[in-house]
Amino acid sequence: DTEVTQTPKHLVMGMTNKKSLKCEQHMGHRAMYWYKQKAKKPPELMFVYSYEKLSINESVPSRFSPECPNSSLLNLHLHALQPEDSALYLCASSQLAGGPYEQYFGPGTRLTVT
Amino acid sequence: GENVEQHPSTLSVQEGDSAVIKCTYSDSASNYFPWYKQELGKGPQLIIDIRSNVGEKKDQRIAVTLNKTAKHFSLHITETQPEDSAVYFCAATLTQGGSEKLVFGKGTKLTVNP
Repeated sequence: DTEVTQTPKHLVMGMTNKKSLKCEQHMGHRAMYWYKQKAKKPPELMFVYSYEKLSINESVPSRFSPECPNSSLLNLHLHALQPEDSALYLCASSQLAGGPYEQYFGPGTRLTVT
Repeated sequence: GENVEQHPSTLSVQEGDSAVIKCTYSDSASNYFPWYKQELGKGPQLIIDIRSNVGEKKDQRIAVTLNKTAKHFSLHITETQPEDSAVYFCAATLTQGGSEKLVFGKGTKLTVNP
């Protein structure tokens, strides 16, 4: 089983709202990722967690705050977003962080900021 | 940084024909090259990958070839079916600051006409 689940599927939020995206995997993977994908573009890496510790932050604005409460869960806390932050947010996991490990993606959360 | 070029951006074939998508990369240290299929409204799905110590890998109707000297790799789909219609992304590893991450090509929209 290579399933990564994400909730919610869709989210509409105002620029003053606070919301959270959730991601879960039960494959025993120790690396988890957040990607952002705009329409007709490839996924862009935002954050990497390795053994529940943040290992890569791709200079993401502080209005995006990741959290990894345990090895199976990954959250992305959102606050004071801008309309240009509207995108598909993808979570992925792999056995370990780094190149030669297969990354499995979830279905994504479609975020609209109004 | 790593640059992954992918061609063509769109590809239309008749059912039963073959489809070939090509990618080039710039980082000679890249050692892992996955291919993802993304259907509308879904997350990217890993369909095949190849590591730098192998020149070719095949899985039923899908094959990937890698030429490390020329820094290019290709996806081959034979006997295409309408359900192969999707956006396909190639990716390559990039080592930066002691961490490895995936960098994606811009994608190829494949349409298989019945």
